[in-house]
This record gives sequence, C-alpha cells and structure tokens, in this order.
Amino acid sequence: GAGVSQTPSNKVTEKGKYVELRCDPISGHTALYWYRQSLGQGPEFLIYFQGTGAADDSGLPNDRFFAVRPEGSVSTLKIQRTERGDSAVYLCASSSGLQGPDTQYFGPGTRLTVL
Amino acid sequence: QKEVEQDPGPLSVPEGAIVSLNCTYSNSAFQYFMWYRQYSRKGPELLMYTYSSGNKEDGRFTAQVDKSSKYISLFIRDSQPSDSATYLCAMKPDYKLSFGAGTTVTVRA
Repeated sequence: GAGVSQTPSNKVTEKGKYVELRCDPISGHTALYWYRQSLGQGPEFLIYFQGTGAADDSGLPNDRFFAVRPEGSVSTLKIQRTERGDSAVYLCASSSGLQGPDTQYFGPGTRLTVL
Repeated sequence: QKEVEQDPGPLSVPEGAIVSLNCTYSNSAFQYFMWYRQYSRKGPELLMYTYSSGNKEDGRFTAQVDKSSKYISLFIRDSQPSDSATYLCAMKPDYKLSFGAGTTVTVRA
C-alpha cells in the first residue's frame, strides 16, 4: 500500500517568506506527527495530531510555526517569516494511534532551504 | 545534556563483520525502544522495536535493551554493503519519539 507522502520534496525560499509543507499520511492512520531534522542530527519532535486536533504542539519552536489537519487526514505545516535557521528536513510520520508501540512510519521529508 | 546520546561515528567495517551500535538515555519514562535506518535523502525506516529489557532477534539484526543501565544496542551480523546507512536509535514514553543523533555506517565490499 501507499506510504506517507510529502510535498514538495524540496523547497527553496527567501528569508521572510511564508511556506507550506504538506503531508499525506497512510490511509486510516489517526495519528500524525511532524519532526524536524537538521544536518547531522536526529529528528526532533514538533507536533502530534490525534484526529483533527493537535494533542501536543510543545515542540514547535515559536509562533511562526503552525500546523493544521482539518479533516483528520492531510496535514499542512506552515512557517511564517522564514529565517535561515529554519533550513532543515521536515519529516512527517503517521501511525494507527493505538496503544502500545504504535509504529510511526515516516515520509521522505521536505528539504527546506531558506536563503 | 540530551535525553538520548548516540556516537555519530562514522563507523567503517569490512563486509561480513559485526556492526555494533549503542545509545544511552536519561529519561526513565521511556518504555518503547526502536532502531531506524535512514538512507541518504530518505525518511527513517523502522528496523526493530523492543518494549522490555532483554534481547530481540530478527534475521541478521539483534536489539538489546538494559533498562537498569539505560543502555540499548543494535548488532548487525554478516554485514553487507547494502547495510551502509545512518542508524538512529529512538525511544518514547508513549507517543513522542526522542532520537539519537544517528551513527553513519559504511560496509566496505
């Protein structure tokens, strides 16, 4: 079956611009996560959705970052007034949302470069 | 100090060697432990997960968890050039994964 997909695969923008990154989770997965991976580092948690609501957004670095999942499927990560420090790979993952190990399946990521 | 510490390497081994990777952690609330493999410019792919202390084997891969020492390991037997990748340890108390920095492994043919 289809895995997690993310678009665009690459995004180059200028400092101060607004960007949107899209994630299509595995069909039927109720849980969706966003992580950010900087060069040479492991992914860092940003936000977790259970259904349509953000159950935990404690990883969002500041109020320039916002994410939505209006129908409980596709999610969009929005970054306002981008800064050079926002350059990273943004990874989306989804899981069944059940108790236990609840494996998270990752997409290929969106590589964001802020010039 | 980070919650999860992992030596970034890089690690280079000849084909057929045993690859040994490990992580330490500080958060006692972690109860699920995973190893992900990440190829260049790809997303992480789950290799193995364990819930309790002990060993778990899957083909050429063995994962070990020692909760008393807050230490986890991954062993790859009979390593192949196709095993060349970055290996990330990850752990969570419930839903939020905390990752190590990843160890880059190269298996030389």
